[in-house]
Amino acid sequence: GQNIDQPTEMTATEGAIVQINCTYQTSGFNGLFWYQQHAGEAPTFLSYNVLDGLEEKGRFSSFLSRSKGYSYLLLKELQMKDSASYLCAVRDGDYKLSFGAGTTVTVRA
Amino acid sequence: ETGVTQTPRHLVMGMTNKKSLKCEQHLGHNAMYWYKQSAKKPLELMFVYNFKEQTENNSVPSRFSPECPNSSHLFLHLHTLQPEDSALYLCASSQDPTSGPDTQYFGPGTRLTVL
Repeated sequence: GQNIDQPTEMTATEGAIVQINCTYQTSGFNGLFWYQQHAGEAPTFLSYNVLDGLEEKGRFSSFLSRSKGYSYLLLKELQMKDSASYLCAVRDGDYKLSFGAGTTVTVRA
Repeated sequence: ETGVTQTPRHLVMGMTNKKSLKCEQHLGHNAMYWYKQSAKKPLELMFVYNFKEQTENNSVPSRFSPECPNSSHLFLHLHTLQPEDSALYLCASSQDPTSGPDTQYFGPGTRLTVL
């Protein structure tokens, strides 16, 4: 099976930066996704990486290193509304999407 | 709004009941998915339909029965469930699961409680 690891919880202060790491071991690789999920709501798409490097979208950036099986999601200028669960998902060689258990980020004033 | 709707949002049922979950997508996608989300666990893929054909069944017990009458609608029929089936059931859709970035868009889920 596929193995995707990310920390369970992280806490940070409003205005700060938080980096959520994700490591994966999959049979083949066809892209890595990050989703945000607020409590009781649908996961919503944040970013997609298929090539090595950094993708930036406003306050959120995502990085991928395929050789290391590693990605991170960087959240800058944290706001209270960023308190949510962040899901790392990897599409394997058969185009199946597998999810990590999610990282719950709590932003404190 | 993600363009994927699910009903009901909450469901409480006994172990002998029969109920159905409904999902509808308004995105013109060809693939639809059912996931189970339990607390502190990764999303578990249950079923995949691509162009109305079931392409994935991840060893799901037969008490869960999917139905996909067309590319816009997906049902999950529930029968004689167990308390451990209590979870959030998420529906998703995507354009083409075999190519490109193919982002999946999720509905808000049905919170199911089995008594």
